[in-house]
Amino acid sequence: GENVEQHPSTLSVQEGDSAVIKCTYSDSASNYFPWYKQELGKRPQLIIDIRSNVGEKKDQRIAVTLNKTAKHFSLHITETQPEDSAVYFCAATGGQGAQKLVFGQGTRLTINP
Amino acid sequence: DAGVIQSPRHEVTEMGQEVTLRCKPISGHDYLFWYRQTMMRGLELLIYFNNNVPIDDSGMPEDRFSAKMPNASFSTLKIQPSEPRDSAVYFCASSYRLNTEAFFGQGTRLTVV
Repeated sequence: GENVEQHPSTLSVQEGDSAVIKCTYSDSASNYFPWYKQELGKRPQLIIDIRSNVGEKKDQRIAVTLNKTAKHFSLHITETQPEDSAVYFCAATGGQGAQKLVFGQGTRLTINP
Repeated sequence: DAGVIQSPRHEVTEMGQEVTLRCKPISGHDYLFWYRQTMMRGLELLIYFNNNVPIDDSGMPEDRFSAKMPNASFSTLKIQPSEPRDSAVYFCASSYRLNTEAFFGQGTRLTVV
């Protein structure tokens, strides 16, 4: 089945700097790659997603890139702010017929003022 | 819509007791997912339903776990008998279609003592 690896597990950056989180997936049939943000004690919420027919997508300070050949995708956050501090999860569809959403282990991002 | 609604929010039970977690998905969503979140294993997909039919239950840890979806607006996850290692946050999520945003409920924090 699908396996999603996420790095790093923790990331600390200065406010205003950029943060990059990387994920790799194993199932070449995967075609949907969302990113979720989970604040402490709260539910995961979608922040951006990308489909396999697109190489890059941007939404204000957040961007995601996808390299299907290498089977990896990345989240880029620019001009980081304290409210960006959270755990971020990547995910990929996988399993039979690429129908199962499998999550990475998560990255705890801390923005230092 | 009030979003995905889970109950109870917190559950403390003794080892060996039966536990039932409940979920009401967003109206009109055809897919319902049950996830378990722990520090060690992250977000694990336990089972998902399409139009009330279980599609993939390969993530259900063992026979002590069972899930049902008797109608489009209600699902349960049952653990019988419960064990301390079942302690985790259990999330229910729903989506309109596959490969679209999954909306998470607030989760049930289960503690088995």
